[in-house]
Amino acid sequence: GQNIDQPTEMTATEGAIVQINCTYQTSGFNGLFWYQQHAGEAPTFLSYNVLDGLEEKGRFSSFLSRSKGYSYLLLKELQMKDSASYLCAVRGTYKYIFGTGTRLKVLA
Amino acid sequence: GAGVSQSPSNKVTEKGKDVELRCDPISGHTALYWYRQSLGQGLEFLIYFQGNSAPDKSGLPSDRFSAERTGGSVSTLTIQRTQQEDSAVYLCASSQQTDSNSGNTIYFGEGSWLTVV
Repeated sequence: GQNIDQPTEMTATEGAIVQINCTYQTSGFNGLFWYQQHAGEAPTFLSYNVLDGLEEKGRFSSFLSRSKGYSYLLLKELQMKDSASYLCAVRGTYKYIFGTGTRLKVLA
Repeated sequence: GAGVSQSPSNKVTEKGKDVELRCDPISGHTALYWYRQSLGQGLEFLIYFQGNSAPDKSGLPSDRFSAERTGGSVSTLTIQRTQQEDSAVYLCASSQQTDSNSGNTIYFGEGSWLTVV
């Protein structure tokens, strides 16, 4: 079967660092993606990993371990505008399977 | 176009009516996807197009749902005899992928918010 697990909800303080974990079991693997989705809006692309290791993009970094079926998204210097859902997605042969998302609340 | 365009952005329909949702992908993108997102839920895969062909329709919930794509561009998702449980946001996405080993990013449209009353 295909399964992607993420925590349902997380809370962090403005200026802090937060790590959102994602574990997956999928048939086929052609990359892991992270998307941000604000309430009532479409998901927007944040990062992509296909090889093991860390990809850094400004305040956002994403890590992948294919042997462990594990990824995390790291958000640094949290801002209020980072309050959103963060979706982990795995691409198989062609289909992108999404997790249910992690709702992040950033508190002042 | 510059981004994925979907219409209508909002649709309220009576139970039992048919609805058509349209998606215009990013110019040059050969792959097109339809997803459904119910309130507070994750994205549910519906169908995938490569060009005008749909190799995977496995996510369509019932035979009331159908989709087509013409000219390798615009796609239409049709829901016949709508039911209240069809109420959701229907998201379209496109990517440049041309083969199964490519990890191209998919880009989403703003979605069509469907409410069946």
